[in-house]
Amino acid sequence: EVHLVESGGGFVKPGGSLRLSCAASGFTFSNALMSWVRQAPGKGLEWVGRIKTKTDGATTDYAAPVKGRFTISRDDSINTLFLQMNSLKIEDTGVYYCVGWMRWGQGTLVTVSS
Amino acid sequence: QSVLTQPPSVSAAPGQKVTISCSGSSSNIENNYVFWYQQLPGTAPKFLIYENNKRPSGIPDRFSGSKSGTSATLGITGLQTGDEADYYCGTWDTSLSGWVFGGGTKLTVL
Repeated sequence: EVHLVESGGGFVKPGGSLRLSCAASGFTFSNALMSWVRQAPGKGLEWVGRIKTKTDGATTDYAAPVKGRFTISRDDSINTLFLQMNSLKIEDTGVYYCVGWMRWGQGTLVTVSS
Repeated sequence: QSVLTQPPSVSAAPGQKVTISCSGSSSNIENNYVFWYQQLPGTAPKFLIYENNKRPSGIPDRFSGSKSGTSATLGITGLQTGDEADYYCGTWDTSLSGWVFGGGTKLTVL
């Protein structure tokens, strides 16, 4: 069965950094395009970015609000997706979901507040 | 303001049918696959429809998807109270080079 489990969320002050992880199992991770999607409290879904497979160059795309501050990477040897978040802003607060292989993770909460 | 436009809410009685619209443009819906997601209260979203009209395994055939031009529609028949959820459409936007979502539609089964 496909599982995606996020971790690394927490409380951080504006300007701080946080690194999220997503452990994948139940499918061939290296063959999967993976994405991060976030949801601010009480709001809708917002795409953060994606990373293609190594076969496709492991290229990344980012949403405008996070470009230059967030970096998505993957380690296929440990079936894990990462989201490095720098220069965090209050508006980055929300639940961050890992998405791939037709599945969503359960999400991890990131709170940016002074 | 979302790139894709959905009605904020829809409602219908148990056993009835409901449709949820998703309106976009030539840079997104018209030339890319549309996906639909269901988010039950307090839970993570899940895939409901992919590639316009396909259902992942485990999704009942009460749920259907269609697309015409710059719009897509999610249909749900035989409504159940357990279908009460937020529903989102999503697709790739070629101009933005990014994935876009609709603002979400809250379904109430009266």
